[in-house]
Amino acid sequence: DTAVSQTPKYLVTQMGNDKSIKCEQNLGHDTMYWYKQDSKKFLKIMFSYNNKELIINETVPNRFSPKSPDKAHLNLHINSLELGDSAVYFCASSQDFKTEAFFGQGTRLTVV
Amino acid sequence: GDSVTQMEGPVTLSEEAFLTINCTYTATGYPSLFWYVQYPGEGLQLLLKATKADDKGSNKGFEATYRKETTSFHLEKGSVQVSDSAVYFCALRESSGAGSYQLTFGKGTKLSVIP
Repeated sequence: DTAVSQTPKYLVTQMGNDKSIKCEQNLGHDTMYWYKQDSKKFLKIMFSYNNKELIINETVPNRFSPKSPDKAHLNLHINSLELGDSAVYFCASSQDFKTEAFFGQGTRLTVV
Repeated sequence: GDSVTQMEGPVTLSEEAFLTINCTYTATGYPSLFWYVQYPGEGLQLLLKATKADDKGSNKGFEATYRKETTSFHLEKGSVQVSDSAVYFCALRESSGAGSYQLTFGKGTKLSVIP
């Protein structure tokens, strides 16, 4: 069984659309994250979520919003998509804020 | 703030060559240090970790030692294989405070191993 799974793996959409990426973890972890990887492979934290505590990287536009229906899920919703949003988005989870993170396979988002 | 600096890539080695990927860090506290590997088309996988000074993390023939005095966590492998071709990321997590919720990554080093 996949520990951290994301869907879809690929997402192509037009500018201005709203889209969601789903993430689920079956590890029983308390903390989940979203990372963005740009074309140069640089990874940047977007959100961390732990027991209803949301920590947002201040550089993330408010068009991006995480939604957590329960502890095992942290979905990423993006409004009014822009060309610059094209990247690979990784979901991750960890037992708490101190332990290593386990990553999903990534979602390659292409905005055209 | 925290930062991680890795050697620039790409690195190309012949099979069975010795590998070193340098990593140095800047942190305010006593971070935990990690190496992650990303194989082509896949997500990141934890390769090894060290949580305190002088700890050595090891896995799949790779090793890295937490050197507090030089603020370094260099990745080494004695004999690389073609299957080791991937992008390697050094990362840190602060042990407490505002930075402890996130992993701070280096920019990644792409390794290509040729037969």
